[in-house]
Parts: sequence; C-alpha cells; structure tokens
Amino acid sequence: DQQVKQNSPSLSVQEGRISILNCDYTNSMFDYFLWYKKYPAEGPTFLISISSIKDKNEDGRFTVFLNKSAKHLSLHIVPSQPGDSAVYFCAASAYRGSNYKLTFGKGTLLTVNP
Amino acid sequence: KAGVTQTPRYLIKTRGQQVTLSCSPISGHRSVSWYQQTPGQGLQFLFEYFSETQRNKGNFPGRFSGRQFSNSRSEMNVSTLELGDSALYLCASSLVARPVHEQYFGPGTRLTVT
Repeated sequence: DQQVKQNSPSLSVQEGRISILNCDYTNSMFDYFLWYKKYPAEGPTFLISISSIKDKNEDGRFTVFLNKSAKHLSLHIVPSQPGDSAVYFCAASAYRGSNYKLTFGKGTLLTVNP
Repeated sequence: KAGVTQTPRYLIKTRGQQVTLSCSPISGHRSVSWYQQTPGQGLQFLFEYFSETQRNKGNFPGRFSGRQFSNSRSEMNVSTLELGDSALYLCASSLVARPVHEQYFGPGTRLTVT
C-alpha cells in the first residue's frame, strides 16, 4: 500500500524553464510534507517543507504547494538550473500521535538540460 | 559541524551471512532513523531510535534489527542475508524524535549480497 506516490519516474526540462514535480498521498493523517533532493552516491538532502496549515511555502527558487482536498502537493523550481538535476523525493509525516515516521515516495529523476 | 557518517560505505556479503552497519549522527542529534533504498521501492523506513529506545518500526522482517548507544551512535544488523537485501542503507539523524521536520542523511552503505 503506497501512501505517497510520485507517478512520474522522470522529468526533463530546459535550463531557465519551470520544473514541476508532483506528489499524491492517500493517508489523511499526514500533515507535514517534505521534499528531499538526492545526487548519486550521496544521501538525500532536505530541500523544503510545508505544514498542512499552509498551502504554499517558498524558499528562493523552490516553492511547494499543498492542496489538501486533493491530497496533492507539488514542487516548483524556477528557474531550473543544470545543477538541479537529481532525484527528488516527496515525504509525508503524521504530526500527531505516537507512531510518527516519514513515508517517502519512490522519487522523480529531474534532468535539466543546458 | 560534521555531518552524518556511515561505515562502511560499501560491503559485499554472501547469502546466509550477517552484516552490521554503523551510523554516527550529527553531534547533538538524538534521533536516528534507518532506511532501505532500492530502485523499485524507493526509500523504505526500517526503524527509528531515540535515547537508546526503538520508537518506531517499519514493515521489515525480524532479520533486520538495530540498536542505539548512549552517545547516539546506531548500528543496524541484518542476519541470514538474502539476495533481495542488496540495497543502499541510509541513516538519518534529527534533533528531536517527534515530530521530525528535517532529517539529515548520511551517504549510505551500499550492501551487495551475492
């Protein structure tokens, strides 16, 4: 039962354009969401997060949008740069309760072409 | 501040053997989580330790076990290795066990079972 889904295994965009990575979740108990970026041979690095009390969080070129009714979040990268080429993981956490853990999607490989 | 370190970085074992992986969290971080990353399944949560206690566990068989020491360093053990255990094993640390807003990942240990 995959509770966090990244339906696009890969995405290719031109340098300078917008990259949009999507993530869907099924568990309504999730109320904190994170994006991680992973380069080959390195561990994932935290990129940006959003709480369910917000619908948008922005950090420089990165913006995360949350649509709770649709159980959907997206990561926008504007403008995209070749150095952004990496695997992006969406993750979700239940903020309340005693049984927290991060649940990850399978990742989307972003390739930004010069 | 030094990041999360994992040893060894690469390991080759034979079916039926057992293996122990080590993780040293960022100084001051008391929560350590372990994940298995495979191409088909993405990042899957194994377990999380906080103050030497396992606080959370994923859906892995009992062959996977772990522990945390008083200095927050953690070890993960896999007994009776199977070919399907070949994966990248990632350790992540955070300041607090609950909720985790950001985890800092190590580079991982690449385990190959032959």
